[in-house]
Amino acid sequence: DIQMTQSPASLSASLGETVTIECRASEDIYNGLAWYQQKPGKSPQLLIYNANSLHTGVPSRFSGSGSGTQYSLKINSLQSEDVASYFCQQYYNYPTFGGGTKLELK
Amino acid sequence: QVQLKETGPDLVQLTQTLSITCTVSGFSLTTYNVHWVRQPPGKGLEWMGAMWNGGGTDYNSAFKSRLSISRDTSKSQVFLKMNSLQTDDTAKYFCARHTTVDPYFDYWGQGVMVTVSS
Repeated sequence: DIQMTQSPASLSASLGETVTIECRASEDIYNGLAWYQQKPGKSPQLLIYNANSLHTGVPSRFSGSGSGTQYSLKINSLQSEDVASYFCQQYYNYPTFGGGTKLELK
Repeated sequence: QVQLKETGPDLVQLTQTLSITCTVSGFSLTTYNVHWVRQPPGKGLEWMGAMWNGGGTDYNSAFKSRLSISRDTSKSQVFLKMNSLQTDDTAKYFCARHTTVDPYFDYWGQGVMVTVSS
């Protein structure tokens, strides 16, 4: 199985700030990576696929980058509605998820 | 529009069998794959297995001996059945869809929270 290591586990940031969440795969996943946002009590929502493609309807302040084993999600100009948990997921092989990042407002 | 909805019990007794149904609308099970993912309270997501659009299945090896996934295309339903439940199977169970060409999960059900009780 491909292991996904996500960091940080939690993050506190101020409105308007830029935040970055990292995900490292245990082997090359060739950009087969998605990012999801999950709000409390809700199901995950797709944000980014193929490492850097924005899903339909997702605000442009979200962006993804990376290659090989290292990937990141960046949120520009943090909004209050961005408070959530974020998960990366590789789909190069059978799906595996990162441990998640809980984003809170400072 | 695309919808997935899980239905199942809130509570299952220790060592018993869990059965959950995912009813989909807005797409065909013969075009899209449907997967099962679970999330223990306050924890991360764990892929359980898949029902492929051609009718085949795949399972996470962590569950392979006790998990079964099946479907009824005429009813647009996918079924999860897992036996020998333990307390650490307490989780929210989601179904989600993807395509073979774009194998990320673009739509998810709202999930069903299942507690395993001793």
